[in-house]
Amino acid sequence: NAGVMQNPRHLVRRRGQEARLRCSPMKGHSHVYWYRQLPEEGLKFMVYLQKENIIDESGMPKERFSAEFPKEGPSILRIQQVVRGDSAAYFCASSPSMDIANYGYTFGSGTRLTVV
Amino acid sequence: DQQVKQNSPSLSVQEGRISILNCDYTNSMFDYFLWYKKYPAEGPTFLISISSIKDKNEDGRFTVFLNKSAKHLSLHIVPSQPGDSAVYFCAASAKYAGGTSYGKLTFGQGTILTVHP
Repeated sequence: NAGVMQNPRHLVRRRGQEARLRCSPMKGHSHVYWYRQLPEEGLKFMVYLQKENIIDESGMPKERFSAEFPKEGPSILRIQQVVRGDSAAYFCASSPSMDIANYGYTFGSGTRLTVV
Repeated sequence: DQQVKQNSPSLSVQEGRISILNCDYTNSMFDYFLWYKKYPAEGPTFLISISSIKDKNEDGRFTVFLNKSAKHLSLHIVPSQPGDSAVYFCAASAKYAGGTSYGKLTFGQGTILTVHP
């Protein structure tokens, strides 16, 4: 049973390009969370999605960032017109339920985005 | 607004001794708390958790204590081993309207634990 798969592991983009980060949740998990970790900081919540629905996007920057979790395929975090401040590690986590106390919560290994 | 704080950026401990990592929170709506361990270039790995209805939870060498009145939790590792050297994050979750602990986690800044042989 594969864990949460994120790809690519490392992504380099020039300023102004688009970055697409992918997250395949564990089998049977329909809840996906995205977090961002800036250097020397803790993880910050960005968005919570279920299949085809955005449940909570209170942590998403208002512009340039979007996320989706289609019926088929991985969840995608898209960052348009990247800037140097977007350089960070982006982690996704998945769960079979929003009740994490009883069902747990597993993180992927992250995508390290570097904007040059 | 830092709702979860780990005030010690780093902790150094001798192998075999106790490691105590601390965490404070300000949001009284938090009702479920977790500790994660993280190695460089990897995702956080779940260690142990505690619900707000308890004040202690134990799992092998790891024990988490919760003091709700002080809004403080701590992770004890006994005995500490060199393999425990990593960054430790505490995280908190609030109950969703449906009454379940919600998966949106608020993390502290992390504490770097170094265990010397």
